Amino acid sequence: SAVISQKPSRDICQRGTSLTIQCQVDSQVTMMFWYRQQPGQSLTLIATANQGSEATYESGFVIDKFPISRPNLTFSTLTVSNMSPEDSSIYLCSVTSTGLASETQYFGPGTRLLVL
Amino acid sequence: QKEVEQNSGPLSVPEGAIASLNCTYSDRGSQSFFWYRQYSGKSPELIMSIYSNGDKEDGRFTAQLNKASQYVSLLIRDSQPSDSATYLCAVGWSSASKIIFGSGTRLSIRP
Repeated sequence: SAVISQKPSRDICQRGTSLTIQCQVDSQVTMMFWYRQQPGQSLTLIATANQGSEATYESGFVIDKFPISRPNLTFSTLTVSNMSPEDSSIYLCSVTSTGLASETQYFGPGTRLLVL
Repeated sequence: QKEVEQNSGPLSVPEGAIASLNCTYSDRGSQSFFWYRQYSGKSPELIMSIYSNGDKEDGRFTAQLNKASQYVSLLIRDSQPSDSATYLCAVGWSSASKIIFGSGTRLSIRP
């Protein structure tokens, strides 16, 4: 399986500011995804990060609020813009392996965000 | 709308017994099915994946898939306290596609 790291691991931010979360994988992967997990809830897919093109967003999520970059096959960033307390959540990067188990998704350790 | 349904629990099972976790999904076009385990404060960890009807066994874990009934389950034999976690069912559609998660079932193994 791929080894995934995220930075920062946690942060406390003031409302109205923006935070960029980085996701780095130790090998080239086909797909990269960004999820949000609010307290006590399951995972909600924000968007699919597409290499070299605009991300594909799920219903309820927009590029202006969650801009995403994926400059290559091993790295992606998610920005949470103009934050409010409702954005307090865990943000998770996940990847699909390009190996035999290409359907399998693996998750990074997550970024815990608290917005005051 | 594609949905994945799970009983939120908590499901309490005595140590050494079989824990049975269930999941239903709405889209008959679903092709891949996953069970993830998530400990509190940690990210989800893949336990099992299954793609064909029937049973798939891996150690103490057995995944069961019934596409006609749109039902997937996870059995944990000889349950241990370390199995206490939230179990997430997830469904996908094709190779390297996105997957959709259910709300998760909290499992508690009592000594």
